[in-house]
Amino acid sequence: EIVLTQSPATLSLSPGERATLSCRASQSVSSSLAWYQQKPGQAPRLLIYDASNRATGIPARFSGSGSGTDFTLTISSLEPEDFAVYYCQQRSNWPRITFGQGTRLEIK
Amino acid sequence: QVQVVESGGGVVQPGRSLRVSCVASGFTFSTYGMHWVRQAPGKGLEWVAVISYDGRDKYHADSVKGRFTISRDNSKNTLSLQMNSLRAEDTAVYYCAKDRDTYGAAYYFDSWGQGTLVTVSS
Repeated sequence: EIVLTQSPATLSLSPGERATLSCRASQSVSSSLAWYQQKPGQAPRLLIYDASNRATGIPARFSGSGSGTDFTLTISSLEPEDFAVYYCQQRSNWPRITFGQGTRLEIK
Repeated sequence: QVQVVESGGGVVQPGRSLRVSCVASGFTFSTYGMHWVRQAPGKGLEWVAVISYDGRDKYHADSVKGRFTISRDNSKNTLSLQMNSLRAEDTAVYYCAKDRDTYGAAYYFDSWGQGTLVTVSS
């Protein structure tokens, strides 16, 4: 099983600041990685797929980068609605899909 | 627009069975693979199962293999998950999720339902 480790567990920032979230894989997943956003009481929402491609309707302030074992989700300038939990997910060794444990982005 | 609506959750005793389903609309259901993903209370996400667009190929996570079975009815735009021999650790919100790719299986989930809560407790 490929283990995804997200850091930090919690990130405290203010609106307008830049957020950088990390996801590290226990072995290479090439570019087969996605990012999701989940708000309380809601289903997750796909933000980024194949490491750097924005999903339909996702604002340009969200960007993804990385390949192999190290990946980053960047939110260039935080909006109030961006405070949520973010998960990374790999599909490299499908069907053994795994998710990271999540990073909580909270308002400072 | 794409809509997925789950149903069938509830409280069930350990060892018993339950079937959860979802009805999809707003896209051509018969051309997309579909998944179940679950989330235990206060925990992260766990992929459960996938079924190909035509129902021929199915895969289940090791944690549910032999106990859960995914199925679909393309004539009714319906996806189901039959859960047998339920355990306390199966307690979770079960989400129905659409695969991103047509015909293939991208294993990225671009549309989700609101989820249905399954509680396994005596």
